[in-house]
Amino acid sequence: GAGVSQSPSNKVTEKGKDVELRCDPISGHTALYWYRQSLGQGLEFLIYFQGNSAPDKSGLPSDRFSAERTGGSVSTLTIQRTQQEDSAVYLCASSLMGQGLLRGQPQHFGDGTRLSIL
Amino acid sequence: KQEVTQIPAALSVPEGENLVLNCSFTDSAIYNLQWFRQDPGKGLTSLLLIQSSQREQTSGRLNASLDKSSGRSTLYIAASQPGDSATYLCAVRVTGYALNFGKGTSLLVTP
Repeated sequence: GAGVSQSPSNKVTEKGKDVELRCDPISGHTALYWYRQSLGQGLEFLIYFQGNSAPDKSGLPSDRFSAERTGGSVSTLTIQRTQQEDSAVYLCASSLMGQGLLRGQPQHFGDGTRLSIL
Repeated sequence: KQEVTQIPAALSVPEGENLVLNCSFTDSAIYNLQWFRQDPGKGLTSLLLIQSSQREQTSGRLNASLDKSSGRSTLYIAASQPGDSATYLCAVRVTGYALNFGKGTSLLVTP
């Protein structure tokens, strides 16, 4: 597509439920990133994919968070047993490449999923 | 750990003014620096990207400079317009693949 697409745009769920957030990157972009934007915290990195593999999962806050990417395209971020502190906007970005000399490619962001845990 | 600071946190200017947003970072070993704009309830729109070997980039009324040795970047907006009202975020890429973001400058341009 023309830009990074994320769904749903808003998600409200009860504490303890599992949620899945979806990201469809720009066509042809091999690198995909998940970030979280919390009120007062700014943007924090969660995980990076190059193709279908995730060489950098360093930002995932706990083992309740997981992500996968299939076919080198769509990615899903899953949060199990959600807690109120998981409430945030989850942003996905993609870029052409992520390694070596091509680390300098700009990241393009979607509009995010606003997650609210009751 | 790379720390990115943006000053001021908020800024209000009358339409037509030229303005400068500041970004500083603690680790000068960066790959690049990217400026974004974020409108309320929206994602990030990439404005300018400066590679570590570059000094500045320009796009329309926007000009971004980079001084790696001093750990600073500025975003200059010429002839500001109400449509420029948004939050402006600065982000640097160090080792690895993640961007380290500042907390942003909230800009309001009044008619």
